[in-house]
Amino acid sequence: GEDVEQSLFLSVREGDSSVINCTYTDSSSTYLYWYKQEPGAGLQLLTYIFSNMDMKQDQRLTVLLNKKDKHLSLRIADTQTGDSAIYFCAAFSGGYNKLIFGAGTRLAVHP
Amino acid sequence: KAGVTQTPRYLIKTRGQQVTLSCSPISGHRSVSWYQQTPGQGLQFLFEYFSETQRNKGNFPGRFSGRQFSNSRSEMNVSTLELGDSALYLCASSPEGREGTDTQYFGPGTRLTVL
Repeated sequence: GEDVEQSLFLSVREGDSSVINCTYTDSSSTYLYWYKQEPGAGLQLLTYIFSNMDMKQDQRLTVLLNKKDKHLSLRIADTQTGDSAIYFCAAFSGGYNKLIFGAGTRLAVHP
Repeated sequence: KAGVTQTPRYLIKTRGQQVTLSCSPISGHRSVSWYQQTPGQGLQFLFEYFSETQRNKGNFPGRFSGRQFSNSRSEMNVSTLELGDSALYLCASSPEGREGTDTQYFGPGTRLTVL
């Protein structure tokens, strides 16, 4: 079945760029998503990318997709302390509304 | 437009009891999905409902069940609670439940603690 993997932890300095990486196994996933979860909260959709795209930019967020390697990344420019959270990569796993999530990458932003 | 709401936000139960969680989707959304989030297993798909019918189901025991009402509100029920059922239960809604731009929006979750 579908599997999604992420590195678990990333620490960056405020003002630097953060890059969170993700790999997935199901090449039939046509959409891939990034969600953000802050402490004690649900999931907030950040952005998504269609599989025929290589890149999508949305303000400070840039998503890169390498479909051949099944690799997805999320770049956050000018990272702020408010960006500290857990970031989840997710792929649609066929059927209705079934998302497969990675384990989440905890982003820590320090001064 | 109001977001996805879940009630209650926090719940404490003891082993063997049963529990019912409620989810109200965004107005106009007809698909509701449920996920369980635990530190050990991460986010796992429970089931999805559309027009009062379960269309998709994850790998959870039969103690986990759900239903959807004609107004798209959904409930999930866990019977004979076990300690391992302690988790954050997240509900998500989308217009039709199809892949693509029909993205899911999540509620704040219900934190269930089983003692």
